[in-house]
Amino acid sequence: QKEVEQNSGPLSVPEGAIASLNCTYSDRGSQSFFWYRQYSGKSPELIMFIYSNGDKEDGRFTAQLNKASQYVSLLIRDSQPSDSATYLCAVRKDTGNQFYFGTGTSLTVIP
Amino acid sequence: EPEVTQTPSHQVTQMGQEVILRCVPISNHLYFYWYRQILGQKVEFLVSFYNNEISEKSEIFDDQFSVERPDGSNFTLKIRSTKLEDSAMYFCASNFVSGSEQFFGPGTRLTVL
Repeated sequence: QKEVEQNSGPLSVPEGAIASLNCTYSDRGSQSFFWYRQYSGKSPELIMFIYSNGDKEDGRFTAQLNKASQYVSLLIRDSQPSDSATYLCAVRKDTGNQFYFGTGTSLTVIP
Repeated sequence: EPEVTQTPSHQVTQMGQEVILRCVPISNHLYFYWYRQILGQKVEFLVSFYNNEISEKSEIFDDQFSVERPDGSNFTLKIRSTKLEDSAMYFCASNFVSGSEQFFGPGTRLTVL
């Protein structure tokens, strides 16, 4: 069983729409959850993190965490063409500092 | 805004050669990491380093790999005898608090011929 799973996509949304990206994780004791954006050939860039159940909003981005379902999601409102990238979900377990990454979801925002 | 830097941006080497990848973490960060990403695959953890010693390492980080913090700013990853399968992007990351968000450098693309 993979530590972190994401739908690889590609996910296409029209400009201005809401993009919804999903991630599940296998270790019920996981503590911290991160969303990174990665443009082709570039390094992961932190978008936001969430530690507690519920929603966390930062500008156009909302992270949602449901520890009972072992599910974390990222919503991007008013999607822009510049949001086109691969979105990586990363999880830190209850012990250690390493992040476990999913394979990423490729998002394309169509103008 | 402070950032993690890495050199070189691209390293080409022959199989069996030693390579050293260099990183300068964000200056007040205490925890340092190396990850790699083979083309088209996910980002994979290699090793974490704190207080001048390795705190965690993955199965990938075998005896061919070593890390060092030779001075107060640099953090290096050495691969002693490179293999074709070592070809990947290598990312350095750092954070200030254990478990908090990690900030990634731009990466070094290693090509082993």
